[in-house]
Amino acid sequence: GNSVTQMEGPVTLSEEAFLTINCTYTATGYPSLFWYVQYPGEGLQLLLKATKADDKGSNKGFEATYRKETTSFHLEKGSVQVSDSAVYFCALRDNAGNMLTFGGGTRLMVKP
Amino acid sequence: DGGITQSPKYLFRKEGQNVTLSCEQNLNHDAMYWYRQDPGQGLRLIYYSQIVNDFQKGDIAEGYSVSREKKESFPLTVTSAQKNPTAFYLCASSPRGRENTEAFFGQGTRLTVV
Repeated sequence: GNSVTQMEGPVTLSEEAFLTINCTYTATGYPSLFWYVQYPGEGLQLLLKATKADDKGSNKGFEATYRKETTSFHLEKGSVQVSDSAVYFCALRDNAGNMLTFGGGTRLMVKP
Repeated sequence: DGGITQSPKYLFRKEGQNVTLSCEQNLNHDAMYWYRQDPGQGLRLIYYSQIVNDFQKGDIAEGYSVSREKKESFPLTVTSAQKNPTAFYLCASSPRGRENTEAFFGQGTRLTVV
């Protein structure tokens, strides 16, 4: 079956530091890949997505590149802000298009 | 505005009672999902429905029930058989059979057993 593995948190950074959150996946075929963000007490919001190999998704300074050869979709941001503190979820949707599979989530804490 | 609405935001239940969480969407999506999230944990799938009048169990369906009588609505009932129901519940919807589209989430319902 499909699975998503992401690095355990919490990840604690100082403001303006570089962020990487690792995500690897297992799936048949060519799934679409997503990063969602969850702020405290809220639902999940789509942050970015990539639908085929070598695509780069980007939004609000965050980027992730779909790497088929390493089955990875690592999230990066060059300079984090306190407002980026949240939980980040990596997810995939398979070729059948019916189900989302989520990673366990990574909590990011950014200190001033 | 199109979106997915969960209500109520906070819900308290006495032990032994059933309680129903509402989820409504006006996005014309075929597929709808219920997830449970415990503190500091990821999402676990409870039930999902890909079409009206049909639904399937997810990974943790015991103690829960759902119905899908209308495309727009997918209510979740937490029954007294669910031994540890205190959690954050998230509803989501997505187009069916389109792998390049994301799921849209509601704002969640926090259920507490008192």
